[in-house]
Amino acid sequence: AQKITQTQPGMFVQEKEAVTLDCTYDTSDQSYGLFWYKQPSSGEMIFLIYQGSYDEQNATEGRYSLNFQKARKSANLVISASQLGDSAMYFCAMRGLSGGSNYKLTFGKGTLLTVNP
Amino acid sequence: ETGVTQSPTHLIKTRGQQVTLRCSSQSGHNTVSWYQQALGQGPQFIFQYYREEENGRGNFPPRFSGLQFPNYSSELNVNALELDDSALYLCASSLRDMNTEAFFGQGTRLTVV
Repeated sequence: AQKITQTQPGMFVQEKEAVTLDCTYDTSDQSYGLFWYKQPSSGEMIFLIYQGSYDEQNATEGRYSLNFQKARKSANLVISASQLGDSAMYFCAMRGLSGGSNYKLTFGKGTLLTVNP
Repeated sequence: ETGVTQSPTHLIKTRGQQVTLRCSSQSGHNTVSWYQQALGQGPQFIFQYYREEENGRGNFPPRFSGLQFPNYSSELNVNALELDDSALYLCASSLRDMNTEAFFGQGTRLTVV
């Protein structure tokens, strides 16, 4: 079984500052992928960044980076230089890449990020 | 913006009725997954279709069923609607057996009254 835990129901950040959204996971899979999605109020899930469990370097995509600590089973999202448009729900998710669990994404409960001007 | 489109965007149904939601997958993607997202929660996996067959299922009763067509588009059918079925239903398309992200549609917001 896979489990994602996001312990921050809500976070506030000032515009132009950096913010870290926490994510811990639990899985028995040896090979897995970790994802972060952004969900604005419109409802669409927007893919932000992906980290494979065997990737040695932390993933980066523009202002987004993933702080992957495999031994701690954490995959925190770092957003640099926050913008007002970053205000949204953020979901951490994972998918097993082997065996019978490679067909679905397991999501956390999300963190609501509010960027203040 | 992804190439995944869902219809309708909003829907109101009465308890006990049946509903069909539709999803067109991104070009080249052969796998479609459906998720239910209740208010204030993360999406929950319903099932996945690959090559027109159900490829995995979450903890949802049989009244949730689906189809995938040769062009990889998909339908989610829910029979005997219950009030708790009110949720945002998300469709995601991806390439099976590849470590790629899933692209989501904008969702269908279903309200059961």
